[in-house]
Amino acid sequence: GENVEQHPSTLSVQEGDSAVIKCTYSDSASNYFPWYKQELGKRPQLIIDIRSNVGEKKDQRIAVTLNKTAKHFSLHITETQPEDSAVYFCAASSTNAGKSTFGDGTTLTVKP
Amino acid sequence: NAGVMQNPRHLVRRRGQEARLRCSPMKGHSHVYWYRQLPEEGLKFMVYLQKENIIDESGMPKERFSAEFPKEGPSILRIQQVVRGDSAAYFCASSPAEFTNTEAFFGQGTRLTVV
Repeated sequence: GENVEQHPSTLSVQEGDSAVIKCTYSDSASNYFPWYKQELGKRPQLIIDIRSNVGEKKDQRIAVTLNKTAKHFSLHITETQPEDSAVYFCAASSTNAGKSTFGDGTTLTVKP
Repeated sequence: NAGVMQNPRHLVRRRGQEARLRCSPMKGHSHVYWYRQLPEEGLKFMVYLQKENIIDESGMPKERFSAEFPKEGPSILRIQQVVRGDSAAYFCASSPAEFTNTEAFFGQGTRLTVV
């Protein structure tokens, strides 16, 4: 089955700096890669996703890149703000986005 | 359009009791997925159901856990004879169809505490 590894497990940045979180996956059939933000005690919420037919996608301060050859994808957050502090999860799925394999999460802390 | 509704939000059970977690998918969604999140860990897939059918239960523990999605009513995840290790957040997600890679929407979760 699919295996997703996520790094780093914790990340602390100064407000205004950029944050990068990286994930690798093992199943070459995976073709959908969502990123979720989870605040303490709340549900995971999709912040951006990318499909295997694109290499990069951007939404305001958030961008995701995908390298299918190397089987890795990354989340980039620019101009970080304290409200970006949360746990971020990457995930991978093939065909059925409901059945995804998640990374173990990255706790991002943005210091004011 | 209400989102995915889970209840209860918090559930406390003594060891050996049964826990029943409910999930109502978004309107128009016929596919339900259950995930478990242990403290400070990621989400682990448990089971995928359509109405009256279990499609994939590869992530479900073999004993004490069962899930159903009846023709009428919510999907139910049932844990019999709970143990302390079952304490976790259980999230349900729903999607409109299987073979479309669109976002799966998560409910708010049920936080199960076994005492």
